[in-house]
Amino acid sequence: QKEVEQNSGPLSVPEGAIASLNCTYSDRGSQSFFWYRQYSGKSPELIMSIYSNGDKEDGRFTAQLNKASQYVSLLIRDSQPSDSATYLCAVKRLIPNEKLTFGTGTRLTIIP
Amino acid sequence: DAGVTQSPTHLIKTRGQQVTLRCSPKSGHDTVSWYQQALGQGPQFIFQYYEEEERQRGNFPDRFSGHQFPNYSSELNVNALLLGDSALYLCASSGVAEYQETQYFGPGTRLLVL
Repeated sequence: QKEVEQNSGPLSVPEGAIASLNCTYSDRGSQSFFWYRQYSGKSPELIMSIYSNGDKEDGRFTAQLNKASQYVSLLIRDSQPSDSATYLCAVKRLIPNEKLTFGTGTRLTIIP
Repeated sequence: DAGVTQSPTHLIKTRGQQVTLRCSPKSGHDTVSWYQQALGQGPQFIFQYYEEEERQRGNFPDRFSGHQFPNYSSELNVNALLLGDSALYLCASSGVAEYQETQYFGPGTRLLVL
């Protein structure tokens, strides 16, 4: 079992619709959860972080965390063509100098 | 406020050669982590440096080594390059005093081994 699992996609969503990206993790010691966006040929860019169960909203993005189910998701509302990218889920334990463990990413394509 | 910088941006080497990649962390950050990202994969943790010491290491052979300087910048060295070392090498910086030690990535160095 992979430590962090994501559907690789591609996930195609019409412009203006809601894109839903999912991630599961196996380490129950994980306490910090991050979503990075990576455009083709570029480096990962942090878009959301979440540490407590529930929802966290930032503009068009909402991160959802359920530690009991070991599940974290990212919703993108009013999807735009510029949202087309690979979305990486990363988890981390809450100890000093801890590494990030990434999933393989989900490729999202917004169809105009 | 300067973000994370890396050099060079691209590099082509042949098998058996050695390479050094460089990273300067974001202003105010003191920790540097290195990741390798193969095509179509998520980044894989190589190692992390804090206070000029390697604090944690991923599942990479000893051919991969690093260093952190007093100004917090860091180098990644790879010896005896293999074709499989071709990848995007990412540096991430974080601050041990910052909440959750969020990591921010530099633009990466794309290494091609022929």
